[in-house]
Amino acid sequence: DQQVKQNSPSLSVQEGRISILNCDYTNSMFDYFLWYKKYPAEGPTFLISISSIKDKNEDGRFTVFLNKSAKHLSLHIVPSQPGDSAVYFCAVQETSGSRLTFGEGTQLTVNP
Amino acid sequence: NAGVTQTPKFQVLKTGQSMTLQCAQDMNHNSMYWYRQDPGMGLRLIYYSASEGTTDKGEVPNGYNVSRLNKREFSLRLESAAPSQTSVYFCASRLGVRYSYTFGSGTRLTVV
Repeated sequence: DQQVKQNSPSLSVQEGRISILNCDYTNSMFDYFLWYKKYPAEGPTFLISISSIKDKNEDGRFTVFLNKSAKHLSLHIVPSQPGDSAVYFCAVQETSGSRLTFGEGTQLTVNP
Repeated sequence: NAGVTQTPKFQVLKTGQSMTLQCAQDMNHNSMYWYRQDPGMGLRLIYYSASEGTTDKGEVPNGYNVSRLNKREFSLRLESAAPSQTSVYFCASRLGVRYSYTFGSGTRLTVV
């Protein structure tokens, strides 16, 4: 069973607008959440993280929101830029865990 | 500052052949991981090594073996390659359980 799901395989937005990427998880023991970005032919790179004691974390144009009751994680990119076009993966970890579990990924395309 | 280095970058194998994927990190990280990426399935954990001297199975370990040679190096071996092992393989490392991963650039493996 998929413990982490990114239900949108793809998302297309206009440059300058907000991009919202979503991630749902099933296990209430997950307490560390991350987002990675991946360009073609490269490895994923870390973007932003949040622990379960917070509900929001910001880093420049990127903000991650955590809704623990809904078991839902989202990444907001404002304003979106063409260079943000990539695959975005959410990842989760249990309190006692030693590894990350990844979602399927969402392909974001930002159109000029 | 090489980070995580994977070799080779590309490989084509015939069914039944064996090979070893190499991974080395120069960041003094304790934990190392092998993932595979397949379309629509995200990143799935094959094996990991939480610390030097230990290895554990991930979600999809069948058909693979690993060796944590020392703190820097973590290799993945395919003893008898199968077409189902056609994938992109990523090695990752991190300092500890509350840190993000650093990924290598990947090995694209095709088994014919």
